[in-house]
Parts: sequence; structure tokens; C-alpha cells
Amino acid sequence: AQKVTQAQTEISVVEKEDVTLDCVYETRDTTYYLFWYKQPPSGELVFLIRRNSFDEQNEISGRYSWNFQKSTSSFNFTITASQVVDSAVYFCALSEPGGAQKLVFGQGTRLTINP
Amino acid sequence: DAMVIQNPRYQVTQFGKPVTLSCSQTLNHNVMYWYQQKSSQAPKLLFHYYDKDFNNEADTPDNFQSRRPNTSFCFLDIRSPGLGDAAMYLCATSNQGVVYNEQFFGPGTRLTVL
Repeated sequence: AQKVTQAQTEISVVEKEDVTLDCVYETRDTTYYLFWYKQPPSGELVFLIRRNSFDEQNEISGRYSWNFQKSTSSFNFTITASQVVDSAVYFCALSEPGGAQKLVFGQGTRLTINP
Repeated sequence: DAMVIQNPRYQVTQFGKPVTLSCSQTLNHNVMYWYQQKSSQAPKLLFHYYDKDFNNEADTPDNFQSRRPNTSFCFLDIRSPGLGDAAMYLCATSNQGVVYNEQFFGPGTRLTVL
């Protein structure tokens, strides 16, 4: 069975600090996809990144960066120079291969950026 | 802009009174999903439509039903809402085929059961 673990339930930092959100996954599939979604207080889940299991390159998008390591089954997310607008709940997710590609979500990490 | 739209954003119903939540999309995606998200929890998939094919999750209560009359619209029917059904309901769409694509979520409908 697939499983995603986000061990950090809540994180609180001061603006401009760097912060890393951890994500560890379990799957027996050799082909899978990993995701990060952001859920601001408005409730909508906003897609941030998709990574397939064959692409272990790290990715950077502005202040956001992702570190995918198959050896440790981790897909961590770092926000550099955090801003108040980054405050949200962040979900890591793993997709089942085939068909509708259903998502298995972690429990989420509530990130609070204090001014 | 292409998007996923959910109406209403907030819905209040009485215990046992049927309620319908709606979702529409302008993305022309072939898959539509309904999730239930309770406070401080991860979204939980209730069911999805792959084109016209309905797929129910094994642990989705019979109280929850869905309809997809066409590609653009999908409805969530709760036949007899209980207090435990109070939650945010999220609709999502994706375009599945040869290439895997991510799910796009609507803003959600927050359901209150009195």
C-alpha cells in the first residue's frame, strides 16, 4: 500500500527565514509521481510541483526548491527567504499508477510565517 | 481563464435533509474527483468519474452519491447528511491519457450540518 508521511504537523518561523518541509513516502511501484500542493486559508488546493520517479533532479522555482531522493524515499520542499504569504497548509502526495492516477496525501504541514 | 468552479462556496443544511453540491470545469478534462476534507485532515477521495465511468472508493458511505451528466459538470449528493458529514468538499479534475497530468482543484464547498 502507498503511504505518505509528513512528520511536521506545524512549523512557525519568522519572515525571511528558510524553512524545509519534509515528506517521506512508501510505495512498491517502480513508476509513480510525487506532488506538493499548497492550501491557503481560502481552501483551494494549489498545485506546486509534480515529479516522476525516474527524474531525481532537484528543481528550483523562484524561492521554492524541491529535493527528491529515491534512496531515502523523500521529497522535501524548501522555501527560501519565507514571506507571510507563504503561510498555508502544505500537502505532499503520491499518485497511484494507471487509471485515474488517484492521489494519496500526507497529513499536511501547517506553515506559519510571522512578520 | 479555464478553471474548476464549485457552487455554492458555503452550504448549510439540516440533519437528514438531502443536499447537492455542484462542480463545473472549463478545462475539458476527462476525470473528475470528489474529496472530503475534515478540519486539520488531508483530503479523502470519495469517488471519481473517468469519462462516464463511475468509480467509488471502498470506504465511501452509501449516503454519498454522484452524477456526471456531461463532461463539464459533476454533482455530489448527500442523501441524509449527518453531523459527521460537515466538512469541506473539494472537486478536482485531471486530463488522463498517455501522459499523466496533475489534478486541478476547485475552491471547495464548506458544508455545515445543523
